[in-house]
Amino acid sequence: NAGVTQTPKFRILKIGQSMTLQCTQDMNHNYMYWYRQDPGMGLKLIYYSVGAGITDKGEVPNGYNVSRSTTEDFPLRLELAAPSQTSVYFCASSYGGINQPQHFGDGTRLSIL
Amino acid sequence: QKEVEQDPGPLSVPEGAIVSLNCTYSNSAFQYFMWYRQYSRKGPELLMYTYSSGNKEDGRFTAQVDKSSKYISLFIRDSQPSDSATYLCAMLETSGSRLTFGEGTQLTVNP
Repeated sequence: NAGVTQTPKFRILKIGQSMTLQCTQDMNHNYMYWYRQDPGMGLKLIYYSVGAGITDKGEVPNGYNVSRSTTEDFPLRLELAAPSQTSVYFCASSYGGINQPQHFGDGTRLSIL
Repeated sequence: QKEVEQDPGPLSVPEGAIVSLNCTYSNSAFQYFMWYRQYSRKGPELLMYTYSSGNKEDGRFTAQVDKSSKYISLFIRDSQPSDSATYLCAMLETSGSRLTFGEGTQLTVNP
């Protein structure tokens, strides 16, 4: 039972490059989320999705894009990477409404130099 | 002012100690209160989940919510080295679309 799988685990980017962080879940969860975690700052919601084809902005969406073409996958796209996007990115999923427990992946550690 | 403030730590205790982790909040619309545990280089995992005021116990863990004081706590009895992790409180409005997390408290339990 894989749960929430994120790839890659680590990545170094140069300023201005772009990349896609992959997230897939095998629990048939409708809701999926992307967070970033900076040291001493807790988790901040970037984007979330309540089902295939439906996405919405969270607290810190600028500089990111998402898509949700299937229930299982929720990729996060960084365009024109900036040093401020250096962070640990977590994907999460939950079964139903927002008050259902969220299951997290193990994160992608991204450095932008 | 941050919506959720968490005791920053880090906290270091001997094995067997009782640990108290705390968060305060300013948004009176928060109705759901959660504690997540995060081991180093891992994603957070849900530890405790309570709705409204009161206490909830699960083994060595007790979650306490005092809505009148806008204060929540997580107590760990007979702490073990395996409890060493960062603990994050999280809160949610009834009609909300996102969890609001505290900054996390790093706990080390020394054998």
